[in-house]
Amino acid sequence: EAGVAQSPRYKIIEKRQSVAFWCNPISGHATLYWYQQILGQGPKLLIQFQNNGVVDDSQLPKDRFSAERLKGVDSTLKIQPAKLEDSAVYLCASSSRGTGINEKLFFGSGTQLSVL
Amino acid sequence: DAKTTQPPSMDCAEGRAANLPCNHSTISGNEYVYWYRQIHSQGPQYIIHGLKNNETNEMASLIITEDRKSSTLILPHATLRDTAVYYCIVRVSDYKLSFGAGTTVTVRA
Repeated sequence: EAGVAQSPRYKIIEKRQSVAFWCNPISGHATLYWYQQILGQGPKLLIQFQNNGVVDDSQLPKDRFSAERLKGVDSTLKIQPAKLEDSAVYLCASSSRGTGINEKLFFGSGTQLSVL
Repeated sequence: DAKTTQPPSMDCAEGRAANLPCNHSTISGNEYVYWYRQIHSQGPQYIIHGLKNNETNEMASLIITEDRKSSTLILPHATLRDTAVYYCIVRVSDYKLSFGAGTTVTVRA
């Protein structure tokens, strides 16, 4: 079974530039998550999709971050404009339903963003 | 969500059992205890979860105390590849998985 695919693996940009990350979840998984992991901390949930609808985006800084999941499959997370404090690893995860407590999340390897 | 407390780090000898503690004294009756781990430069990986009873799978065993206020993850024969950050998570919402700082486990040869 193919895992969660993310690209690019690394990205270096200057502050105030824009950047986009792509995620392709495990086939058939209805729920997709984006997490932000700052160095030395645990991952923090940014947004959760159920199919192509947003379930929770309470932690997403909406003035600069946006995310979409067209057709309920792959997803894109965008930052515009980037700030120095956005330097982090951006992780995508998926689960089959997202509606039951006995759910496992499957994570991709993440995109490491450095904002200079 | 119930808060969890884990030691920031621990060492373990290769081939020995690693016992990772987690306190979750405010856990409520319908909350599960989940364990994930994160190897360097990878995303977190599911290990095991449980509600009341002890659980075992091919990766680890989970021992939950009778009052459910604490639990222990046991890696029966630690290898160098088990070096990782281990996260203990008590899950309330069906929709959220919140990670703390975890325990950095270093397995030494």
